[in-house]
Amino acid sequence: GENVEQHPSTLSVQEGDSAVIKCTYSDSASNYFPWYKQELGKRPQLIIDIRSNVGEKKDQRIAVTLNKTAKHFSLHITETQPEDSAVYFCAASENFGNEKLTFGTGTRLTIIP
Amino acid sequence: GAGVSQSPRYKVAKRGQDVALRCDPISGHVSLFWYQQALGQGPEFLTYFQNEAQLDKSGLPSDRFFAERPEGSVSTLKIQRTQQEDSAVYLCASSPLSVDGSYEQYFGPGTRLTVT
Repeated sequence: GENVEQHPSTLSVQEGDSAVIKCTYSDSASNYFPWYKQELGKRPQLIIDIRSNVGEKKDQRIAVTLNKTAKHFSLHITETQPEDSAVYFCAASENFGNEKLTFGTGTRLTIIP
Repeated sequence: GAGVSQSPRYKVAKRGQDVALRCDPISGHVSLFWYQQALGQGPEFLTYFQNEAQLDKSGLPSDRFFAERPEGSVSTLKIQRTQQEDSAVYLCASSPLSVDGSYEQYFGPGTRLTVT
């Protein structure tokens, strides 16, 4: 089955700087890669996703890149703000997300004011 | 509109008791997923329904876990003879079955189960 690894497990960034979180996956059949943000005690919420036919996607301060050959994808947050502090999870799925998600172990991002 | 809801939000069970966790998906969502999230970990897949059909139950950790969605809307996850290792947050997610490629899974707030 699919295995998703995520690094780093914790990340502290000065407010205004950029943050990068990286994930690798094992199953070449995976074709959908969402990123979820989870604040303490809250539900995971989708912040951005990318499909395997696209190499990069951007939404304001957030971008995701995908390298299918190397089987890795990354989340980039620019101009970080205190409200970006949360745990971020990457995930992978076949069938463009209409099947189970396999999650990484999470990155706790702390923005230092 | 209303999001995915789950009840109860918190459940404390004595070891050996049976529990039932409920999920109300977003109206009209065909797909429904259950995940288990241990403290400090990512969600782990348990089972998946498309309408009332349980298409994948490969993640259920033992035969003590059972899920159903008899009318293709509300789903119940039942855990029999609870054990301490069952303590976790149980998350439900739903998604539409869309031909335009929109497959976002919308998560509920979860039920935190503590087995004492």
